[in-house]
Amino acid sequence: GQQVMQIPQYQHVQEGEDFTTYCNSSTTLSNIQWYKQRPGGHPVFLIQLVKSGEVKKQKRLTFQFGEAKKNSSLHITATQTTDVGTYFCAGEGPGTASKLTFGTGTRLQVTL
Amino acid sequence: DTGVSQDPRHKITKRGQNVTFRCDPISEHNRLYWYRQTLGQGPEFLTYFQNEAQLEKSRLLSDRFSAERPKGSFSTLEIQRTEQGDSAMYLCASSLVAGRGYTFGSGTRLTVV
Repeated sequence: GQQVMQIPQYQHVQEGEDFTTYCNSSTTLSNIQWYKQRPGGHPVFLIQLVKSGEVKKQKRLTFQFGEAKKNSSLHITATQTTDVGTYFCAGEGPGTASKLTFGTGTRLQVTL
Repeated sequence: DTGVSQDPRHKITKRGQNVTFRCDPISEHNRLYWYRQTLGQGPEFLTYFQNEAQLEKSRLLSDRFSAERPKGSFSTLEIQRTEQGDSAMYLCASSLVAGRGYTFGSGTRLTVV
């Protein structure tokens, strides 16, 4: 079945440093979504990417979808303590009736 | 509250007992999903409804698990003869259209002792 892996598993940065998480799918995706889960919370939708090579920005967050639609990345510029949490990518494969397969997640810790 | 509601928030049960969880999605959302999440892992797909029709069920889901969505509104997830390995957070999510993502509820944390 479809597998979605993320690296790194965990990253600890100082506030103000940049952060990137990478997502790789075993199969070609029709779209990829990103979610943030705060400690003790539930996943919250951030964005969806659909087109090959698509890049979208949300303030300090930049999301990219690979040309082959099998990988994606999330880059945060100048992290803040409010960025703490686990970031999940989630892919929807062709013909999977909108079922999302979530990645393994990257836990981000930000300290002052 | 216009979000996704799940009840109960926490459930402790003894092995072998049956448990039932409820999810109330956002009212205009026709798609409803159940996921399971264990500590340090991403949410794992269990099952999916479009309106009242259950369109997909994970092969990982044993026949002890059953879900319903009568009338296409709220949904229930029942686990029969619970096992310790069923201990997890059970998340419900709903969606309406592509591109807007899922809205998750706060989850039901199940502990089987």
